[in-house]
Amino acid sequence: SQELEQSPQSLIVQEGKNLTINCTSSKTLYGLYWYKQKYGEGLIFLMMLQKGGEEKSHEKITAKLDEKKQQSSLHITASQPSHAGIYLCGADGGYGQNFVFGPGTRLSVLP
Amino acid sequence: GAGVSQSPSNKVTEKGKDVELRCDPISGHTALYWYRQSLGQGLEFLIYFQGNSAPDKSGLPSDRFSAERTGGSVSTLTIQRTQQEDSAVYLCASSFGRGTGELFFGEGSRLTVL
Repeated sequence: SQELEQSPQSLIVQEGKNLTINCTSSKTLYGLYWYKQKYGEGLIFLMMLQKGGEEKSHEKITAKLDEKKQQSSLHITASQPSHAGIYLCGADGGYGQNFVFGPGTRLSVLP
Repeated sequence: GAGVSQSPSNKVTEKGKDVELRCDPISGHTALYWYRQSLGQGLEFLIYFQGNSAPDKSGLPSDRFSAERTGGSVSTLTIQRTQQEDSAVYLCASSFGRGTGELFFGEGSRLTVL
C-alpha cells in the first residue's frame, strides 16, 4: 500500500520567517492533497496537486508537486502565528488503494 | 447541513461498553471515510464507503470495529467491548468520489475509554 513520509516532524520558527515542509510518497502520486489541522479539530483543505511540476499558491502558502520524485513541498512565506498547526499531506493511490495521509508536521510560529 | 456533521463530539465510556459514532456527510457525496487519530499521531485509515460498492474495511483494527452506511448517506461506526487503546479522535470525511477532489472532514468525535 502507499505510504507517505513527511519532514520535518515538527518545526518552530520565528514570525516572519519562511519555511518548507516536505512530503514523499512510496508510490506514484495520482493526486496530492495538503491539509491543515488545528489541535483537536477537523482537517481544513489547503490545496490539491495532480500534474507533475504543478505549483499552486494561496495567500502566503505555495505547494509544488514533483511527480518524478514522488515528492511535494509546502512553502510558507513570512510566517504568522495563524499558520501554526499540523500540516498533513494526503494522497489518493489510485484504483483499489486507500486515501492515505502522512504523519503530519507540527508547526509553531513564535510571535 | 453545509458540512460533514459528526456526533457525539465527545464520548466518555467505561471499558467493555459498546459505543456508536455517527457521521452525516455532505449531501451528494458518494464517498465516505472513517479515520482514527490518536494523541499526537497521524490519521489512521479505518474504512471507506463508495456508493453501493462493498466497503473497504482493510483498516479496521479488530473485529470489535464495524461500520455501516444506510441509504448511501449517514454512517455509523460501532466499537464493541471498548478498550482503553480505543481512546482517540474519530474523524469522518466525505467527497464526491475517489480521485474527484478533496475530502471534507467533520470536527471529529473524541472517545475516551476509562
